[in-house]
Amino acid sequence: SQQGEEDPQALSIQEGENATMNCSYKTSINNLQWYRQNSGRGLVHLILIRSNEREKHSGRLRVTLDTSKKSSSLLITASRAADTASYFCATRPAGNKLTFGGGTRVLVKP
Amino acid sequence: NAGVTQTPKFQVLKTGQSMTLQCAQDMNHNSMYWYRQDPGMGLRLIYYSASEGTTDKGEVPNGYNVSRLNKREFSLRLESAAPSQTSVYFCAGGRQGRYTGELFFGEGSRLTVL
Repeated sequence: SQQGEEDPQALSIQEGENATMNCSYKTSINNLQWYRQNSGRGLVHLILIRSNEREKHSGRLRVTLDTSKKSSSLLITASRAADTASYFCATRPAGNKLTFGGGTRVLVKP
Repeated sequence: NAGVTQTPKFQVLKTGQSMTLQCAQDMNHNSMYWYRQDPGMGLRLIYYSASEGTTDKGEVPNGYNVSRLNKREFSLRLESAAPSQTSVYFCAGGRQGRYTGELFFGEGSRLTVL
């Protein structure tokens, strides 16, 4: 079974709106990462948040981490058509394996 | 720098045929990974290599073998392909550590087994 699970599975918004997606995981982690995948392409790393951090920003991205609830959220502000993609959370428990969730498909309509 | 390069990009096999997916990275990464992605799903780890000379099973290793030929190259072999192995395969490389671990992905190898 997957370590991380994203919610919702799909999200459709208008350009300029904010997009929020959530990730829940099962075991304790060293860090949690978010990746983007454009259609037909490989995954691209967006942001990494450590287990001792609660919030992190990168441009229009804001990530939060609540280790007590074993959950994280990714907020994309002022979305653009180019943000249309699938977004995956990935967790690194102790050890080397990076485990991915099922992803959230985001459609930003112009 | 090319980053992570996978070959071939597309392949069609018949059931029972064998093939090897090649992956090479020029980013001096210690660890390398092979994932598969099925339609509408996330990535599942097949095998990974924490360092040159070591390999370990991931979540779905059955039907696959890997070779960490050197620090740059990590190949995935299907000895007897089955339709259930139709998927998109991604190779990734990265550095490992408690507070690191960003992975860099190749563009994928799309495999169809008839």
